[in-house]
Amino acid sequence: ELKVEQNPLFLSMQEGKNYTIYCNYSTTSDRLYWYRQDPGKSLESLFVLLSNGAVKQEGRLMASLDTKARLSTLHITAAVHDLSATYFCAVGVQDSNYQLIWGAGTKLIIKP
Amino acid sequence: DAGVIQSPRHEVTEMGQEVTLRCKPISGHNSLFWYRQTMMRGLELLIYFNNNVPIDDSGMPEDRFSAKMPNASFSTLKIQPSEPRDSAVYFCASGSPGHLGYTFGSGTRLTVV
Repeated sequence: ELKVEQNPLFLSMQEGKNYTIYCNYSTTSDRLYWYRQDPGKSLESLFVLLSNGAVKQEGRLMASLDTKARLSTLHITAAVHDLSATYFCAVGVQDSNYQLIWGAGTKLIIKP
Repeated sequence: DAGVIQSPRHEVTEMGQEVTLRCKPISGHNSLFWYRQTMMRGLELLIYFNNNVPIDDSGMPEDRFSAKMPNASFSTLKIQPSEPRDSAVYFCASGSPGHLGYTFGSGTRLTVV
């Protein structure tokens, strides 16, 4: 069974700290997506990682992909309250026409 | 680009009524997904179209649910008859050629009473 596991599922942290969310997946894939969802809102695309070793950064968020380890990380640097949201990773399954398999999401709360 | 457009934004209906949700994908996108999101079950894929053809409908809960994509610019998700357990937020998402990105619509919040 294809699985995408995120951890932690819930993270409460202080502003100014650094933290990492992990996304492990069980199938071969060359496409990994990160999304953000604010309460009551839709999902917003953050990053698309397309190759082993890919690293992308936007502001205080940096995502990386290790296809050999089947692991992606989302690193938060010097967290600020505005980054409070739920973060999802999703894996594109090539054999299934790149259907997405989703992680359960990580609910991130950043306290002032 | 107006993004993925869903309508209505909110729908409240009585049990047993027919509900139709609509989605207009981004022009040029050739894949389209319908998702359902609830607190209990999280984000669930209902059906996936590629080039207007249903590829995987294994997530459709039961025969009460049906989805169509008559052309590249329009898709519907119909529930008939609706039940209270269908209450959820339904998202439509479209994907660019090469699957380089997927964009979600604002969602339809469905409440069945």
